Parts: sequence; structure tokens; C-alpha cells
Amino acid sequence: QKEVEQDPGPLSVPEGAIVSLNCTYSNSAFQYFMWYRQYSRKGPELLMYTYSSGNKEDGRFTAQVDKSSKYISLFIRDSQPSDSATYLCAMKRGSTLGRLYFGRGTQLTVWP
Amino acid sequence: DAGITQSPRHKVTETGTPVTLRCHQTENHRYMYWYRQDPGHGLRLIHYSYGVKDTDKGEVSDGYSVSRSKTEDFLLTLESATSSQTSVYFCAISSVPRVPGAGNEQFFGPGTRLTVL
Repeated sequence: QKEVEQDPGPLSVPEGAIVSLNCTYSNSAFQYFMWYRQYSRKGPELLMYTYSSGNKEDGRFTAQVDKSSKYISLFIRDSQPSDSATYLCAMKRGSTLGRLYFGRGTQLTVWP
Repeated sequence: DAGITQSPRHKVTETGTPVTLRCHQTENHRYMYWYRQDPGHGLRLIHYSYGVKDTDKGEVSDGYSVSRSKTEDFLLTLESATSSQTSVYFCAISSVPRVPGAGNEQFFGPGTRLTVL
């Protein structure tokens, strides 16, 4: 069993929809949780970075962490065609040199 | 791409040849990482560095070596390339947390697409 599970999709939604992306994990030692966006043939771009449980909002993006359920989510409101990309969740234990554990990514298409 | 460049961006080579990929950063960050990305596996850590001349193995280090002689450069070498090393390679960097106990984000370069025939 991989330490981080993420449904690869693909996920296809109309413009303006609310998108929900999720990951589950098995290691209760994870403390830092991230979401990266990756456009085709580009490097991953950090979207959200959260510590421990709770919500964090940044514009149209909201990240949620539920450590009791070992479940993290990324919500995208008012989705746009420019949001079409692969979304990767990642997490780590320690705060400094900690290795990142990645999900396999969810491919999202937002159609006009 | 957070002041990170990778070279070459594309390379095709033959089985058994040595290959070196370069990561260069202008951010003066202490930590540097090499990942590979493959369909069905996501991103996996190959090697990382926590300072000049200080490196360690990651999850999939067999067949790879690294060197870091300067803060800004981190080299990944495939001593004798194999077809299983066909992949997209990403370099990442991160800094020492400004506040003890705080996290530190990793920022990724644009990637090198390597094909081993």
C-alpha cells in the first residue's frame, strides 16, 4: 500500500463548477500537507501549504486537512479552463529536510 | 520556477552511456533534491542534499549518484544509463525554516526529459 493515495481521475467539469480533489494517507506522522499544480510538460507549482489540521483559503482555492481521518482535500471554486492541469498532493513528517511523499496526481479538465 | 534552471531540458541517449543532469539555483537555498516522475508512480525522491558536499539517498537511488560542490549546483549522474531510467527528472529546492518548527516549502524546476534507447 502506498503511503499516499490519490485518485488519478481524469476529472472533467464545466467552467464555474466547484472541484473537489482528495488524498488519503496512512502515516499518522505526517504534519505538513501541500497541493501542487502541474501543467503539461512543466514542473510542479506549489499552490497550498498547510500545517496540521484545519482549513486554509487562498482566493478560489481552499485546502482542508483532517488528521483524524487521514484525509486532505483541495477545493477549487468557480473553476476556469486555466485550472486544467494535474493536481498533486504531497506531505511530509518533519519541518526541515523531510522527504515529500506524493500522491500520483489527479488530472483535471475544465471545459468552457 | 523559483530561480531554478535544469540542463539539458531534453536528452536522448543510448543504454550504457553516462549521463549528467544539472540543477542550478539562484536562491541560495540550502536544501536541494532530485526526483523522477513516471506514469503510475508520481514523483519519487532519488537523492537530496542538505549542504555543500552533504548528500544522502532517497527512495529510488540505485543507479544514480549526485554531487554538490557549490551551493547553487546539484548534479545527478547516471553512471551507465538503462532504459528503466527513461523518465522526467525534476530538481527541487527548499530553505531553512525562518521560524523553528515551521515548515519549508519545496519549489521545483522545469524538468529534464530523458530518453534512454
